Amino acid sequence: SQKIEQNSEALNIQEGKTATLTCNYTNYSPAYLQWYRQDPGRGPVFLLLIRENEKEKRKERLKVTFDTTLKQSLFHITASQPADSATYLCALGSNDYKLSFGAGTTVTVRA
Amino acid sequence: DADVTQTPRNRITKTGKRIMLECSQTKGHDRMYWYRQDPGLGLRLIYYSFDVKDINKGEISDGYSVSRQAQAKFSLSLESAIPNQTALYFCATSDSRGRKFTQYFGPGTRLLVL
Repeated sequence: SQKIEQNSEALNIQEGKTATLTCNYTNYSPAYLQWYRQDPGRGPVFLLLIRENEKEKRKERLKVTFDTTLKQSLFHITASQPADSATYLCALGSNDYKLSFGAGTTVTVRA
Repeated sequence: DADVTQTPRNRITKTGKRIMLECSQTKGHDRMYWYRQDPGLGLRLIYYSFDVKDINKGEISDGYSVSRQAQAKFSLSLESAIPNQTALYFCATSDSRGRKFTQYFGPGTRLLVL
């Protein structure tokens, strides 16, 4: 069966450091992978999409890598700030616009 | 105004009751989705609709039904609520034009079944 695993532990980091989150998957061949941010009591908000033929994508302080051989994506937040504290969700997508989500990793950035 | 709205935001109901959660969007998107979120399990797809006449079951549709009344409205019903349907429910939309694949989520409905 399909499985999507994100860091099982919450991530606590110091302001200014880089947070690195992992998303591993099995029994799945996604056409693309997305990362969403979710704040407590709110719906997820889209951050980045990376397609199966892309290795890396950047957006401001965010960087995503996608290795279809390892079946893994890494999500980096550089120069982290307390405002980056949230839960980050990995989602694998198909060309029929359906997404399968991981359980998320909670990041706390200490000032 | 929010592009994707959900009503109610919070709901407490009793076992066996029928309830409806409503979702409206002003984004003009053709595709709409219902998810539930449980701690540690992530978002799971209940139903999705690619247009008004196209409704499909997701991975956990048992005990739920949906209605796409118009392109902008997608309702989720629990025919006879049970305690393990206590969860956070999200509606989402996406636009098939341009193959952007981004989903836009509503604020969620917190449901408690006693």
